[in-house]
Amino acid sequence: DAGVTQTPRHEVAEKGQTIILKCEPVSGHNDLFWYRQTKIQGLELLSYFRSKSLMEDGGAFKDRFKAEMLNSSFSTLKIQPTEPKDSAVYLCASSFRTENTGQLYFGEGSKLTVL
Amino acid sequence: QEKVQQSPESLIVPEGAMSSLNCTFSNSASQSIWWYQQHPGKGPEALISIFSNGNKKEGRLTVYLNRASLHVSLHIRDSQPSDSAVYLCAVNGQGGRALIFGTGTTVSVSP
Repeated sequence: DAGVTQTPRHEVAEKGQTIILKCEPVSGHNDLFWYRQTKIQGLELLSYFRSKSLMEDGGAFKDRFKAEMLNSSFSTLKIQPTEPKDSAVYLCASSFRTENTGQLYFGEGSKLTVL
Repeated sequence: QEKVQQSPESLIVPEGAMSSLNCTFSNSASQSIWWYQQHPGKGPEALISIFSNGNKKEGRLTVYLNRASLHVSLHIRDSQPSDSAVYLCAVNGQGGRALIFGTGTTVSVSP
């Protein structure tokens, strides 16, 4: 079975640019998550979708970060405009979630460097 | 907002020894508690989860949960160099919210 696929694996952007990161979840999963990972803050939730509906978004990330589920098998995360503090690894995860549990399956991440 | 704290930040253990990791969370009504393992350059992978008070054993892993003290621990018996990784504790928030993660414990197992 294919796992979660994220592209690109590495992205270098100039300050002020727009970047788009892509994610294909595990087939059949109904939940999709975007997290940002840094050494200091750890994993921070950016967005959580269930069956393409936005369930949660990270309050601190609303202004320049926009995640979308274009269909059940494809999601994008747009950062516009980028700032050097956005340098981090962006992780996408999916799960088939029941009421109280839900094992997340993560992609390998997209490492963003903003100069 | 649920908070998850892990200790220690890093741990060095000799091969064959026990690795013991701790995690505290802020809401006793949290649902499942998960432990994930992350190797460099990879995404986190789920190792084990626990929902009920008490302990759960899977292979070399044992998890202990005490909801009254808001504490969960992970113990890795007979640690191997391949166990060297970052271990993340994660808690399901109430009402079906997304997993909230701690900042991790880096485990290094020396041969």
